[in-house]
Parts: sequence; C-alpha cells; structure tokens
Amino acid sequence: QKEVEQDPGPLSVPEGAIVSLNCTYSNSAFQYFMWYRQYSRKGPELLMYTYSSGNKEDGRFTAQVDKSSKYISLFIRDSQPSDSATYLCAMSPASGGSYIPTFGRGTSLIVHP
Amino acid sequence: EPEVTQTPSHQVTQMGQEVILRCVPISNHLYFYWYRQILGQKVEFLVSFYNNEISEKSEIFDDQFSVERPDGSNFTLKIRSTKLEDSAMYFCASSIVNTEAFFGQGTRLTVV
Repeated sequence: QKEVEQDPGPLSVPEGAIVSLNCTYSNSAFQYFMWYRQYSRKGPELLMYTYSSGNKEDGRFTAQVDKSSKYISLFIRDSQPSDSATYLCAMSPASGGSYIPTFGRGTSLIVHP
Repeated sequence: EPEVTQTPSHQVTQMGQEVILRCVPISNHLYFYWYRQILGQKVEFLVSFYNNEISEKSEIFDDQFSVERPDGSNFTLKIRSTKLEDSAMYFCASSIVNTEAFFGQGTRLTVV
C-alpha cells in the first residue's frame, strides 16, 4: 500500500462548480497536511496547510482532515478556469523520524467555462 | 514576497557530463530540499539538508548526487555523471521547520 493515495483524474467540472479533491494515507504519524497547486511545467505552490484534524478555510478553499479515517480533502468553491491545474496533497509527521513531506501523485483539475 | 529561486531554468547536457543545479532558498529558512519530477509523474524526494549536513536522503540519491551549501545563501545539487534517466524537473524547496515547504520554479534538466 502506498503511503499517500490520490486519484490522478482528470477531474473536469464546469465553471462555478464546487470541487472536491481527496487523498488517503496509511501512516498514522502524519500530522501536517498540505495542499499544493501545480501549473504545467511550474513548481508546486503551497495553497494551505493544516495541523492534525479539523477544517481550515482560506477564501474559496477549504481543507479538511479526518485523521480517524486517514482522509484529507480540499474543497474549491465557485471554481474558475484559472483553477485548472494539478493539485498535490502532501503530509509529514510532527516529530521524530522523517519530516520529509510525502506527496500524492496529484489530481488534474480542469474547469471549463 | 520571499521566494525560492532556481537557476538555470533549463539545462541541456550530454550523457556522462556533470551538472550543477543552483538554488537560493528563502533567507530565514532552515531546512532545504531537492525534489525531482519526471514528466507526468509524482514529485519525488531526493534529499534534505539541515544544519550544514544531509539529514535524510532517498534511494534515488545515490553516489552520483551530492549537495552543498557553499555559502550562506546558495544550495546546490550536483549530478556527477548524468544519465538519460536523470532528465526531469528538479525542484528546490525550503522550510522553517517541518511545516509548509516553499518550492522554486524548477530547473528542467534534459540529458541527451
């Protein structure tokens, strides 16, 4: 079982839709959870990070972490064509062992006008 | 806004040649990383660097690879004898602790 699983998509939605992007993980030591956006041939850009469980909101983006289910989500409200990109989840432990973020393979999102 | 900068943006090299990829991390960050991404594949960890030494490395980071922080600002990745399969985007990243890592725009390495 891979440590971080993420459906590669592509996920195609109309402009204005609510988008739900998800990752599952197997390592219960993960405490920091991050979402990155990556445009084609560019570096990953950090969107949000959360610590442990709960929700975090930033504008049109909401990140959710459910540690009991080892499941994290990123919601995008009122999606725009400019949101079209690959979304990467990443996570790392809080202490001890490796701090290195482990990435999912990314979900390709296409928002069409 | 502070950012991680990488040079060059694109490097073409012949197989067997040495390349050095350069990065300037964000100035108050303490942890530095190199990742690579082969076209269409996931971002893969190569190496992390803290307190002037390698803190962790992946199985990809073999003897052909080395990292240095030659001064207070630069962080370099050297590939001693490039192979065709080293062709990828190489990303440098930095972070304050083990929270969010900020990535540079990447260096596209093409080995011919």
